[in-house]
Formats: sequence, C-alpha cells, structure tokens
Amino acid sequence: DVKVTQSSRYLVKRTGEKVFLECVQDMDHENMFWYRQDPGLGLRLIYFSYDVKMKEKGDIPEGYSVSREKKERFSLILESASTNQTSMYLCASGLASSYEQYFGPGTRLTVT
Amino acid sequence: TQLLEQSPQFLSIQEGENLTVYCNSSSVFSSLQWYRQEPGEGPVLLVTVVTGGEVKKLKRLTFQFGDARKDSSLHITAAQPGDTGLYLCASRYALNFGKGTSLLVTP
Repeated sequence: DVKVTQSSRYLVKRTGEKVFLECVQDMDHENMFWYRQDPGLGLRLIYFSYDVKMKEKGDIPEGYSVSREKKERFSLILESASTNQTSMYLCASGLASSYEQYFGPGTRLTVT
Repeated sequence: TQLLEQSPQFLSIQEGENLTVYCNSSSVFSSLQWYRQEPGEGPVLLVTVVTGGEVKKLKRLTFQFGDARKDSSLHITAAQPGDTGLYLCASRYALNFGKGTSLLVTP
C-alpha cells in the first residue's frame, strides 16, 4: 500500500512564527503536492513538484514556500504564519505517468 | 485552470436509497478521478476514467464518463452509512478539484 505521512495531525502556532509541515511518501513517486482545504473553497493547490529540487506554483502560493531535497520528502514552509493560513493542509504524491494521487491524513493548522 | 462544478453540494439520505452526484466542466477532460474523503482524513482515490462513454463499477458505486468527456456521474446503489463522506472529482493530474458533494447516509 502507498503510504503518505505528514509530520503532525494537529498544530497550533502563533502569528509570525515560521512553520514547517513535512510530508514523506514511501512509493518512490516523482510527483508531490501540497493543498489546503477550507470550507466552501474546496481543495486548492499551493505548490507541486515533479522532481527533486523542482517546484511549481499552484493557484495560491503567496505566503508559502516549499523544499524538496529528497525524492520522498516534500516540505511546506509558512515563512511568517498569519491567521488566514489556519486551514487543513493535505500532502499528496503520485507517479509521473499517472493521474492518480495518494493523500496523507492532513495537518490541521491553527494560527492564533 | 479548468473549473469543475459538482452537484448537489449537500445530500442527506436514508440507508438503502439510491443517489447520483455529478461533475461538470465547460471544457473537455482528458481524464477524471473520483475521490472520497471521510471527516478528518485525506481523500482516497476511488476511480480514474479516461475514455468517453466509459463506465466503471466499484461494488455499489457506478462511475460514468460522458461521451463528450465534459461530465461525469457517480451513482450509489442502496447507500450505506459507510458511504458517508465528501465526494470529489478532479481533472488531469488532479491539479483541479471540484468543491465536492457532501453525502450523509443515516441508518
């Protein structure tokens, strides 16, 4: 079974803090993705990566950055957390040759 | 960005009923995926459809891809409480998701 793990299920941070969300997949997938999910807005793509050290902006990259130093690990960084970044963050991975994605359980981030 | 419209937004039914949810776009899909998301969890892939007119079955779930590849439907027969969740459709490479249909099946 494909397994995608995220570093925390729940996280509470203060405004202005730097926040790291980690995602690890164990299936040697080329593609990795970060989404946020908010009520009424659905899943929105923040960043994605097709290869190590490669990154592409999604629909809402402002206020976020990413890092992919190893194939299995994709990190999302909130440089200075703000209350409007309170959300559910979902990581996913998939093969380059496939349309299918496999999601982690999500991290519910609250910024106070 | 391809916009995906899902309907209905919410659906509450009793166990044993049948239901259909829809995913539509103004442009042609190259392929489409359906996912189910349970509360507090990440989405789980149910199926990928690629060919216009394609029908796929997964136990009590039937997925259909429109002939023109601009719409898709998910039909559930004899719904069970375990079918409760958010049903999402996604376009090529899942870079675009619909907002989903939230289904509640009560005993």
